[in-house]
This record gives sequence, structure tokens and C-alpha cells, in this order.
Amino acid sequence: DARVTQTPRHKVTEMGQEVTMRCQPILGHNTVFWYRQTMMQGLELLAYFRNRAPLDDSGMPKDRFSAEMPDATLATLKIQPSEPRDSAVYFCASQGQASRREYFGPGTRLTVT
Amino acid sequence: DAKTTQPTSMDCAEGRAANLPCNHSTISGNEYVYWYRQIHSQGPQYIIHGLKNNETNEMASLIITEDRKSSTLILPHATLRDTAVYYCTPKAGGTSYGKLTFGQGTILTVHP
Repeated sequence: DARVTQTPRHKVTEMGQEVTMRCQPILGHNTVFWYRQTMMQGLELLAYFRNRAPLDDSGMPKDRFSAEMPDATLATLKIQPSEPRDSAVYFCASQGQASRREYFGPGTRLTVT
Repeated sequence: DAKTTQPTSMDCAEGRAANLPCNHSTISGNEYVYWYRQIHSQGPQYIIHGLKNNETNEMASLIITEDRKSSTLILPHATLRDTAVYYCTPKAGGTSYGKLTFGQGTILTVHP
């Protein structure tokens, strides 16, 4: 089965460091979503792209977060500088143009100390 | 965006049907009802979706009321592996043109 992959699966870093998370959507999918999950806030949509163009990033703190799709096979979410409150699991999901469902990756568990 | 209300938790005996309700009284005419589940902090997994008609697939059945203000997800023969958090969420258009909005979901525990 085709799957969304995310790297790294786990990341521990110190406050102030830059963090980059990567996502490889399912081949041929043209929409990519980034979510963040914490105990307090649950699953929140941070941003999403269609055909590599950002459509909505209203859920993302603009001062320290940035999301890009350098090409159709790679999406990145960057935090600079990272803070302890950014500790969460970050999920990437992709969806095909004619599909009605999102496919989620396994997530990146980020811990900022 | 439509707001959904789900029970915080439910229990079910293995082999029995699990019926998970969801209220979405403010759902718009073009919004589908989607159900996802999340097992042990894995990525959410799609289960089923529908607009007006009842739907069934290999995983579950979805019953949507005629006024579309609520729905019920039915797992016909629950197994221990169905223990998970179940999310009901509306999505406009049903395609990639809409986005999911997750609430707190229902924690379903299936007992032996």
C-alpha cells in the first residue's frame, strides 16, 4: 500500500534550535496538509498546499513556523527558533485530486527542552 | 465551520456492535460527514464519509439523519483492535477543496 512517510519520527532539541520536519506525500497526490496534535489542543490544522501552492496557513504561527513544498514529492515544516510549547506530534497528510479522503503519515514527535 | 459534539468515551464488548453518535446541527448543505479514528497516537485513519444517504464499507456503516443534524457510526462486530479515538468531522465538498476540523472525539474501549 502507498503511504505517507515522515522524517524524523522523533526529535528532541533544545529551545532556540531550528527544527525541520519532512513529509513525502503519496505519489500523485496534489494536496498536502500539516497538523499538530497536543493533549491540550487536540488535532489542529496548521497549513495546507495544493499543487505545491500554499492555500491556507492561518493555523500556523507566522513568526517562527514556515511550510514549503520544494517539489511534488517533498513537503517541509520548519520551526525557527523552537520553543518548549512547540512540543507536539506533527502529522502530515496527503490527498489525491479525485479522492475524498486524507491519508495520514505516522507523525513526528517533537520535544523541545 | 460546523461544530460537532461527541461523547467523551464509550465502552463496547468484543463481538458486539459499537454505535458512536455525533451531533453536527450546524452542518452546511455542502459539507460531508467524515469519520476518522486514531489508534495509540498513530496517524488518523479514514473510516467512512457521507453526505445524505447511509453508507457502508468494509470497516463500518454510517447512518445520517434525514435533517443531517446528527449521524451514527456503526462498527458491526467490534474487536479489541477497534479500541481508538473516533472523530466525526465535517468537510466541505468532500474532496481536497475542503479541510477537516477535528474535535476531541470519542474514546472507544472494546472489552474482551
